[in-house]
Amino acid sequence: GAGVSQSPSNKVTEKGKDVELRCDPISGHTALYWYRQSLGQGLEFLIYFQGNSAPDKSGLPSDRFSAERTGGSVSTLTIQRTQQEDSAVYLCASSVDRVPHQPQHFGDGTRLSIL
Amino acid sequence: KNQVEQSPQSLIILEGKNCTLQCNYTVSPFSNLRWYKQDTGRGPVSLTIMTFSENTKSNGRYTATLDADTKQSSLHITASQLSDSASYICVVSAPSGSARQLTFGSGTQLTVLP
Repeated sequence: GAGVSQSPSNKVTEKGKDVELRCDPISGHTALYWYRQSLGQGLEFLIYFQGNSAPDKSGLPSDRFSAERTGGSVSTLTIQRTQQEDSAVYLCASSVDRVPHQPQHFGDGTRLSIL
Repeated sequence: KNQVEQSPQSLIILEGKNCTLQCNYTVSPFSNLRWYKQDTGRGPVSLTIMTFSENTKSNGRYTATLDADTKQSSLHITASQLSDSASYICVVSAPSGSARQLTFGSGTQLTVLP
C-alpha cells in the first residue's frame, strides 16, 4: 500500500518477554520516527532515523529499548524484558525529509499489552 | 520547558453544529504548528500545517487559525459530521530540525452525536 505499515497491529505478551515491532515506511521517505502513546497522553518521542545519519535515540526510556533501520527502509523497535508500564500504542511515522517542515505520515500503530 | 495545552479535553456536539478547539503553546522559538486528526485505533492524519507567518489555513470544513504573538491556535470545524468524531492533536515544532523538537498536545476528544 501507499501508507506506513506497522505490524503486528496488536501484541499481547507476558512480563519479561522480548517483543519486536515492525514499521514499513512510505517508499522514498528518508525520515522515520517511533513514538509511544499512552491513554490520555500526548505522543512521546522515542527515536528518529534520518537517511544514513546516526539515529537520534534521545527519547528511548531505558536500555531495554532499541531500534534499527535496515537499508534505509524497514525499521524494527525491540523491547527487551518487557514491563507492564511498557503497555501502550507504539506509532511509527515517516516523512519525505526531516522535521520541522514536512508532514509526518503515521501508521496505525501496534497496541502492546503486557500481562 | 516546551508545552502544548489543548482545551477542552473532550467535547460532545450534535451533528451539523460548529465547534472550535483550542491550543496554547509555550514552544519558543517556533517554526510551525500542525493539527492532526486521530480516529480511534488509527494513526494521526495531518489536517493543516501553519508557519508563524500564516494566520489561517483551511482544509475543507476544517479551518485552523494561528496567533503567534499570543501563542494560540484554534481549529474550527464547520457543519460537523459523525465522521468528525476523533481526537484532534495540536503539534508545535521548533526550528532546530531535531525530531525531539516536536511537542505534542494530549488532544481534544470530539464526539459528534446524530
